[in-house]
Parts: sequence; structure tokens; C-alpha cells
Amino acid sequence: DTAVSQTPKYLVTQMGNDKSIKCEQNLGHDTMYWYKQDSKKFLKIMFSYNNKELIINETVPNRFSPKSPDKAHLNLHINSLELGDSAVYFCASSQVGAQMSQYFGPGTRLTVL
Amino acid sequence: SQQGEEDPQALSIQEGENATMNCSYKTSINNLQWYRQNSGRGLVHLILIRSNEREKHSGRLRVTLDTSKKSSSLLITASRAADTASYFCATDASAGTYKYIFGTGTRLKVLA
Repeated sequence: DTAVSQTPKYLVTQMGNDKSIKCEQNLGHDTMYWYKQDSKKFLKIMFSYNNKELIINETVPNRFSPKSPDKAHLNLHINSLELGDSAVYFCASSQVGAQMSQYFGPGTRLTVL
Repeated sequence: SQQGEEDPQALSIQEGENATMNCSYKTSINNLQWYRQNSGRGLVHLILIRSNEREKHSGRLRVTLDTSKKSSSLLITASRAADTASYFCATDASAGTYKYIFGTGTRLKVLA
């Protein structure tokens, strides 16, 4: 009965590769997010979707492309991976109007070699 | 850009003591939230306080908000080893936005 799940939990890959991270929430929320947490634990928002529509698109390289096939899923595809992409990526969801508290997934630790 | 900053960056206390963490932010907010992150895990929502509230309690947690100083504090009373985690504040970027800005976090260690 996991609320927000992400796959994979760990991802180790070579520079230049393309990879995807998947996120699913079973809370019935209408808004989903992707965050990046760097080695200093600084958490920065990357994207947000509300009812499958992109509403937040921070200054992120266009190598990062989110896709929301439906309200319950938000995937993140990364092209041409670089060393600086190494981080922990968190998916989160919330329900607009319901105090906006966010529910986070367990994170995906991406290591680019 | 707006960003919360927690103070102190790290805090080490004995079990049973109280822990106080502070958060400062830069622009007007509608609400402020506190989250906990255990090592290697995702963030867990602890408490939300609205801009028209000054204090809020939840179990052993007490949150205060001073909008004139643009600051908030999180007090954990009678701390336990299980409270060891990083604590983050998050503020909404502006009215009607879905965007939350997270602070830099306070790493709390509670020694048994």
C-alpha cells in the first residue's frame, strides 16, 4: 500500500547514456513533482504537473524531460547523462487545496560514472 | 530567489532534551511546512502553519511563525533517538502557486 513509489531505487550508469525514472502515486492526488537533492542535501524543485499539465518548469537543462501519462504517474527521462546529474531524485505528490502537504517517494539515487 | 535557511545546520543533543530549529525565509508566504528526512529516505510531512497562525502543536512538535521577522521555529520536546533525522522547512513561492521552496535543512542527532 505504498503511497508514492519510484523505480529504480538505485541507478548507476555511464556518462552520455539515457535513462528514465518512474513514479507512481496511489493517493488520488492531482499534482506531482520532481525534486533533485544534491550531496549537500539541498532539495530543488525541477518540475510539477497538475492533472497531467506541466505547471512548473524550473531552470533545468532540456536533457531532462518529464512525462505524465495520467494523474497517477510522472516519469523523468534524462538524455546524455553528465557527471553533475549524480544526485538523489525524489518524486512527490499533493492535492491542491488540501493543505498542500507533499508526499514523497523513497528517492532514486543516480550515479553517473 | 526565495529560499529558506535553517539554523543551526547541525544539532546534537541527549535523549530527553528539547531540540529547537529555526527557519528564515525571504518573501511573503501563505503557509510554511516542516518536513523530516531520515537517512536514505524521502521527506515526511510533519506540520503546516498558515501565515495567519502564530503557533501550532502536533504531539511533541511545536511550530511558531513570525511573519514580521520572516522566521519559523520547530521545537521537538523530550527528544528520542528515533528523532535523529534532517529537518527542512518549506515555503510556498507565492499565492496560488504549487511551488514550494525548501530550506537547507538542520541535521539533528539525538544521542541515547
